[in-house]
Amino acid sequence: EDQVTQSPEALRLQEGESSSLNCSYTVSGLRGLFWYRQDPGKGPEFLFTLYSAGEEKEKERLKATLTKKESFLHITAPKPEDSATYLCAVQAPGNQFYFGTGTSLTVIP
Amino acid sequence: DGGITQSPKYLFRKEGQNVTLSCEQNLNHDAMYWYRQDPGQGLRLIYYSQIVNDFQKGDIAEGYSVSREKKESFPLTVTSAQKNPTAFYLCASSPLELGHSGANVLTFGAGSRLTVL
Repeated sequence: EDQVTQSPEALRLQEGESSSLNCSYTVSGLRGLFWYRQDPGKGPEFLFTLYSAGEEKEKERLKATLTKKESFLHITAPKPEDSATYLCAVQAPGNQFYFGTGTSLTVIP
Repeated sequence: DGGITQSPKYLFRKEGQNVTLSCEQNLNHDAMYWYRQDPGQGLRLIYYSQIVNDFQKGDIAEGYSVSREKKESFPLTVTSAQKNPTAFYLCASSPLELGHSGANVLTFGAGSRLTVL
């Protein structure tokens, strides 16, 4: 069964305290793995697409990596404005998308 | 700027009423989707459409209906048959053709929050 599991459910960090969010997936024929940022009451905002194991992408304080079974979103020296829910999704053949439940990140000044 | 517009942002429904959520995109995307988001659950697919006048049920289609009369528009009706409609509803779109690496990025609207009174 295709599925996506994110951990932890919630994470509280002090400003400047680096950490990582995990996305484990089981899917046949992965087309791509996506990371989104979602602020309260708003739609998800696209961050990254990763296509194959070993791939890495960076944007400001965020870095996403991919293995054959999981992806990590590394947050380096986070700031309060990085507080949000981070969603992971995978695309399977047939244009099917599967989403995790998200990690709620709070960065304390 | 290209994007997806959902309206209304907030909607209240009385028991037994049907309500329609609007979704319009100007990205020239062929595929459009409706998702439901509840606290502690991942996004769940309600309906999707890959072409005008055609759509398919997702995982939780019961109590919902859609239409796709124009490429740009994909309205969702929450009917009185939906027993627990209070949720955050997200519309999304994507190109139908696969990207150069075989994946498509979903672009989301800002969402509509429906509350049953």
